[in-house]
Parts: sequence; C-alpha cells; structure tokens
Amino acid sequence: EAQVTQNPRYLITVTGKKLTVTCSQNMNHEYMSWYRQDPGLGLRQIYYSMNVEVTDKGDVPEGYKVSRKEKRNFPLILESPSPNQTSLYFCASSATGTNYGYTFGSGTRLTVV
Amino acid sequence: AQSVTQLDSQVPVFEEAPVELRCNYSSSVSVYLFWYVQYPNQGLQLLLKYLSGSTLVKGINGFEAEFNKSQTSFHLRKPSVHISDTAEYFCAVRFGGSNYKLTFGKGTLLTVNP
Repeated sequence: EAQVTQNPRYLITVTGKKLTVTCSQNMNHEYMSWYRQDPGLGLRQIYYSMNVEVTDKGDVPEGYKVSRKEKRNFPLILESPSPNQTSLYFCASSATGTNYGYTFGSGTRLTVV
Repeated sequence: AQSVTQLDSQVPVFEEAPVELRCNYSSSVSVYLFWYVQYPNQGLQLLLKYLSGSTLVKGINGFEAEFNKSQTSFHLRKPSVHISDTAEYFCAVRFGGSNYKLTFGKGTLLTVNP
C-alpha cells in the first residue's frame, strides 16, 4: 500500500530534550515536506526537500532541522524543543513532474512541557 | 503576496442540507487547486483537485468544486450532506513556480447536525 509513515503518533517531552520525528514513504517520491498544524492557523510549511541531499526552509523553519540522506526518509529534528513547538506535525510527499498533490502521513501530536 | 483565504472558520448545517465551503486565493500566476478533508484524529485526505480543463471538478464522497478564474475562487459544494461529512476541510493552492509547495487556507470546520 502506498503510504507515508510517521512515528511516533504521540509524543510528550520536556523543554530542551532533543527529539526526532521520523517520516518514510514507499512511493519513490522525490519531494517531501514537513508541516505543522495549529488551531486557527491551518498548515504551515516547515521544511521541504526536492530530492536526496536537497533541502530548504519553508515558512516557519526556526527551531527545526531536517536531513534527506535517503530518498524514502525525511526526519524532522528538534534540537532543543520549546513549548511553542507544541503542535500537530504532518509529513507529506509528492512525485515531481506531476500535480497530483501530496500524500500525507497520519500526523504526530507533539507536546513540549 | 500569494495567499489562500477560507472565509468561514465554522459551518454548521443540518443533515441532507446543501453546503458550500468557500475558498479564495490571491495570485497573478498560474495555480493548481486542491481540497483536503481531515476527519477527527486523522491525517489529510485529498478530496479533489483542479489542474486544467473543465472548471467543474468532481471528487470523492459526492463533493464537487468549481474554479472561477475571474473571481479567483475554488468553492467546494455538496448537494446533500451526511453526519459522516463532519470534518475540517482545507483549501490548498500550488502557485506557479513554487517548487511543489502547497499553501493552505486556515480550514473550515463543517459540522453536520441531525
């Protein structure tokens, strides 16, 4: 089944403790992206990647890092999480050269206390 | 600036009534338009998309949307809603030259009451 898999689904952590949210897709998509969803703000792009070793900032990149060492994986790293990063995070992927939109993961609900 | 506006944050309707969820965008370049649905505690699922051609597009679950270039709108409609349509709906736009980025509206919560 074609899918984007995120882990974990839920995560509660403390301020300053580094964490990684994993994202993997099995569709051989070139494009991958991370969004955060906050009430009343919709989805905002954090980072994106056009292909392996090609990443760039989205609209709200502060406090986040990403890497793209393999085509299928695009982890989101929070080096020193803060309470304002409490949010619902989505990973998405898309084939380039098409306009089929994104396939989304199921989301990761992160709480930073 | 390129932006996406969903005019209603919440839309309550009764079961079997028609519904329209509004979406407008601001852009001087070409656009590709999408509607996504998010059921409670789930991810986003593509409802329909407009890429080119006929301005009336049909999607899953009986939804349809019409692209109006002159009004820069892409409103979502359903002639008769069900309780199971209760969800949050997001309009998303890919602006020409935006490296596949989707810009999302803030969402409309559709609540269908019995």
